[in-house]
Amino acid sequence: DAKTTQPPSMDCAEGRAANLPCNHSTISGNEYVYWYRQIHSQGPQYIIHGLKNNETNEMASLIITEDRKSSTLILPHATLRDTAVYYCIGQGFGNEKLTFGTGTRLTIIP
Amino acid sequence: GAVVSQHPSRVICKSGTSVKIECRSLDFQATTMFWYRQFPKQSLMLMATSNEGSKATYEQGVEKDKFLINHASLTLSTLTVTSAHPEDSSFYICSAYRGPGELFFGEGSRLTVL
Repeated sequence: DAKTTQPPSMDCAEGRAANLPCNHSTISGNEYVYWYRQIHSQGPQYIIHGLKNNETNEMASLIITEDRKSSTLILPHATLRDTAVYYCIGQGFGNEKLTFGTGTRLTIIP
Repeated sequence: GAVVSQHPSRVICKSGTSVKIECRSLDFQATTMFWYRQFPKQSLMLMATSNEGSKATYEQGVEKDKFLINHASLTLSTLTVTSAHPEDSSFYICSAYRGPGELFFGEGSRLTVL
């Protein structure tokens, strides 16, 4: 499993785009980048995953650098309900034994 | 998305008693489920992999005789904390695997041992 590094905390103003970085310089060619988030006292929620190409869904966009050593999760219009801990995980596709790091605690400021 | 349900969501028990937590996949069959534990302000720590019809695989340092896991059907895995002590108080979370890229988490169960 690739080791990932994330800033421990970030603030973002409500309505602005929240950009959450993740470094995964040791990720191997067949490992995907997964993003989950955990709102306080709830189970983790899947957000998005990608391999090489940028991905977008109804929740967020995932931008992966060409060398795949880092990525950025973008929440385009952050709301107060996006306040949570966000986890970036490097994992082989089909291997669902996820290893969670410490994540980034994102606080949306009114 | 798929739904995974845990029960109970909160439980308080006396030291020395056993507590059972259920994890159900409500709309799909899951041959593999995972159990995590989370202490306050810490990340999720994988405890064990639960496989339907076979013994669970425990992570290093997790006592298999204390945390009994049973995956008797394709939609239900149970975690029993035996002879619970205050240090077992934690947030227990399960996840169910539906297929590649499809892992769904339960809402979590908060255990408090007095």
